[in-house]
Amino acid sequence: GAVVSQHPSWVICKSGTSVKIECRSLDFQATTMFWYRQFPKQSLMLMATSNEGSKATYEQGVEKDKFLINHASLTLSTLTVTSAHPEDSSFYICSAVRTTEAFFGQGTRLTVV
Amino acid sequence: AQSVTQLGSHVSVSEGALVLLRCNYSSSVPPYLFWYVQYPNQGLQLLLKYTSAATLVKGINGFEAEFKKSETSFHLTKPSAHMSDAAEYFCAVKNTGNQFYFGTGTSLTVIP
Repeated sequence: GAVVSQHPSWVICKSGTSVKIECRSLDFQATTMFWYRQFPKQSLMLMATSNEGSKATYEQGVEKDKFLINHASLTLSTLTVTSAHPEDSSFYICSAVRTTEAFFGQGTRLTVV
Repeated sequence: AQSVTQLGSHVSVSEGALVLLRCNYSSSVPPYLFWYVQYPNQGLQLLLKYTSAATLVKGINGFEAEFKKSETSFHLTKPSAHMSDAAEYFCAVKNTGNQFYFGTGTSLTVIP
């Protein structure tokens, strides 16, 4: 079946540094990918829609300069958390849709210290 | 706008008992509805989905859900809970742009 892979699975970074998270569709092309954020004990919230070859579309309240999204190819979207702060610590999950089914990455646990 | 509401953030059942996790949706168009399971520090695994075909949808691991338009519900059930069913369950609705909107989740505890 289709697989979406995220890397890294977990990352710890110092406050003020930037972190890049990769999301790859391994056996299909995805012109659109989505990034979600999940705070502890809470649901997933859509952050942005990543479009191959064009700018991402951000949900209301999500800082586009803070969360940089690059969808440079049909199989790769990256989310860069810039100048990370402890409040950015969260679980980030990407997804890609093939026909009507969405496939989710395994998630990335970001801890900012 | 589309949304889902999950009633009950925590549900506890005895092993072998019926599992019932509730989800109600709000949508002005026929919805695409999904149930996902999430184990700690892992991504989402699709349990089942409703895409306007059969109203009773069977999924993996013995789960099923019934789409009831009159009640705007899509409750998840399993006749007999197993210890391995303990996890977080999310109901979600997908819009025509393939964006998912999730419920707040229900944590299922299975008591031996």
